[in-house]
Amino acid sequence: AQSVSQHNHHVILSEAASLELGCNYSYGGTVNLFWYVQYPGQHLQLLLKYFSGDPLVKGIKGFEAEFIKSKFSFNLRKPSVQWSDTAEYFCAVIGGSARQLTFGSGTQLTVLP
Amino acid sequence: EAGVTQFPSHSVIEKGQTVTLRCDPISGHDNLYWYRRVMGKEIKFLLHFVKESKQDESGMPNNRFLAERTGGTYSTLKVQPAELEDSGVYFCASSQRKGLVYNEQFFGPGTRLTVL
Repeated sequence: AQSVSQHNHHVILSEAASLELGCNYSYGGTVNLFWYVQYPGQHLQLLLKYFSGDPLVKGIKGFEAEFIKSKFSFNLRKPSVQWSDTAEYFCAVIGGSARQLTFGSGTQLTVLP
Repeated sequence: EAGVTQFPSHSVIEKGQTVTLRCDPISGHDNLYWYRRVMGKEIKFLLHFVKESKQDESGMPNNRFLAERTGGTYSTLKVQPAELEDSGVYFCASSQRKGLVYNEQFFGPGTRLTVL
C-alpha cells in the first residue's frame, strides 16, 4: 500500500523567506510524484510532477521539488515566497499500476506581508 | 473550455437523510475519480470510472455510498442514509485516457457535506 507523509501541518513565513515543505512516501516500486496546491476559494491544481529523468523538477510560480529516491522524499522548495503563495499544499503519489492519487494530509502555508 | 464542475457546493443534511452529489467532468475525459477529505485528514480516493464502468471502487467506505456514471458523462455519488462521519469535502477529478500513460487529473471545486 502507498502512503504519503507531510511533516508540517502549518507553516508561517514572511514574504521573501525561503520555503521547504517536506514530503516522504512509502512505496517500494516505481512512483510518480506530485505537488498540488489549493489557493483560498479555488480548485486543487497541479503545481509540478515527477515521472522520470532529472530528479529536480520545476513547476509553476517558481516552485521546484527534488526527488531523492534513497530517502523516499519529494520536498517542495521556493527560494522567496510571496503573499500570494498562501495556500494549502498537498504531496501525492501514484505507485505502480495504480491510477488514483494517494495524498498526504496537506500543509497550510501562510505568508505574512 | 469548462473545467470540472460539482453540484451542490454545500449541502447540510440531517443524519439518516439521503444526499446526491453530482460531478460534470471536462468534456472528452473518460476517467472520472471521486475523492473525499474528512476534516483535518488527507484527501482519500473513493472510486474511479473509465467511461461508464467502475474501474476501481476500493476506496468506497461502505454500501451506503453508491456512485453511478450513466452514459459515461456526468457522475453522481449518493449517500443513503447519511451518517455523521460522512461529513467532509467530496472532490471529483477527471482526466483523459491515453493508454497506460498517466494523465493529469483536473479537480472540481468540491462539495462540502455536513451531516448534523
